[in-house]
Amino acid sequence: GAGVSQTPSNKVTEKGKYVELRCDPISGHTALYWYRQSLGQGPEFLIYFQGTGAADDSGLPNDRFFAVRPEGSVSTLKIQRTERGDSAVYLCASSLTVWRSGANVLTFGAGSRLTVL
Amino acid sequence: GESVGLHLPTLSVQEGDNSIINCAYSNSASDYFIWYKQESGKGPQFIIDIRSNMDKRQGQRVTVLLNKTVKHLSLQIAATQPGDSAVYFCAENIGRSYIPTFGRGTSLIVHP
Repeated sequence: GAGVSQTPSNKVTEKGKYVELRCDPISGHTALYWYRQSLGQGPEFLIYFQGTGAADDSGLPNDRFFAVRPEGSVSTLKIQRTERGDSAVYLCASSLTVWRSGANVLTFGAGSRLTVL
Repeated sequence: GESVGLHLPTLSVQEGDNSIINCAYSNSASDYFIWYKQESGKGPQFIIDIRSNMDKRQGQRVTVLLNKTVKHLSLQIAATQPGDSAVYFCAENIGRSYIPTFGRGTSLIVHP
């Protein structure tokens, strides 16, 4: 597609349930990022993929959070045993990292709003 | 810890005025900065970027100024329009890191 697509756009779940959020990046973008955004805050980094591998997962808050990108395109963010504090908008972004020019512009999706009751 | 932050959480202007949104950063190793605009219900959208070897960069109606001496970044929007109403974030890349770090954001409100 022309942009980054995220599904679902909204997800309401109960505390303790398992959730999967999907991201379809721009075709050809090798870099993929997951961020989390709470109300009134800026996006907070979770994990970064370069191709199929997680190049940096230092932002994942705990082991309940996990993300995969098995074929280097679509990515899934998985949250186990959800807690009310996990409620936020989960943003996915992709980019062509072209460090020769020093540019790294991320294109974001609209986000998946997760509400944990 | 080191972080990117913004001076003003909310900025209100009249349509047609020029807007200036400020951003302070504390990491002297930051060498690439981007301004993003986020409208309600949407993801952040790229506006303009600047590398640390530049002091100024201009786009269409927008100018970014970088003052490395005081670690300050600003976004100037000329002839602000109601469609410019959004939250604006500055983000920095530290060194060769591929991971932008975002500040809290400034909400720009443009009154017709």
